[in-house]
Amino acid sequence: QQQVKQSPQSLIVQKGGISIINCAYENTAFDYFPWYQQFPGKGPALLIAIRPDVSEKKEGRFTISFNKSAKQFSLHIMDSQPGDSATYFCAASRNNFNKFYFGSGTKLNVKP
Amino acid sequence: KAGVTQTPRYLIKTRGQQVTLSCSPISGHRSVSWYQQTPGQGLQFLFEYFSETQRNKGNFPGRFSGRQFSNSRSEMNVSTLELGDSALYLCASSFVPGQGLYYGYTFGSGTRLTVV
Repeated sequence: QQQVKQSPQSLIVQKGGISIINCAYENTAFDYFPWYQQFPGKGPALLIAIRPDVSEKKEGRFTISFNKSAKQFSLHIMDSQPGDSATYFCAASRNNFNKFYFGSGTKLNVKP
Repeated sequence: KAGVTQTPRYLIKTRGQQVTLSCSPISGHRSVSWYQQTPGQGLQFLFEYFSETQRNKGNFPGRFSGRQFSNSRSEMNVSTLELGDSALYLCASSFVPGQGLYYGYTFGSGTRLTVV
């Protein structure tokens, strides 16, 4: 059973547009929800993360929206740039564990 | 500061062989986790080590094993390689087990294993 479901699988956005990636989780024991960015040939790099006690977290152009009752969270990339073109993964984990469940990834392509 | 170092970067092995991959965590990091990344299954957790003890294990067969040394460096071993073991193997480290944002959970660039 897939613990974290991510959509869409791929996304094309024009430069300056908003990129939105969605994730849904099953396990209500999860209490940490990070987003990772991965470029080809590199490992995932932490972008931004949220805990379920807040509904939104913003860092620069990146915002996580969190809906605990719906068990959903999403990543919004404002003013998307070609340099943002990468694969994005959502993930979830339980308190005090480094065992992360990852979504299947979204390949973002920002057109100049 | 140096990141997580994984060696080798690329590896080609034959079915039935065994392989050992190495991970050197960021200095001061004592928790090391391993993940397998494939196009079909995505990123899947293999195991986590802290203070030379395995804390967590994913749903992989016993052919996959690991260990951690007193200097926090970790190795993972895959015996009797199968074609399906071809993947990018990623290592991540943090100061202590816990949420990465607050404990510096950082991934290495991985070892690309190809089984032929």
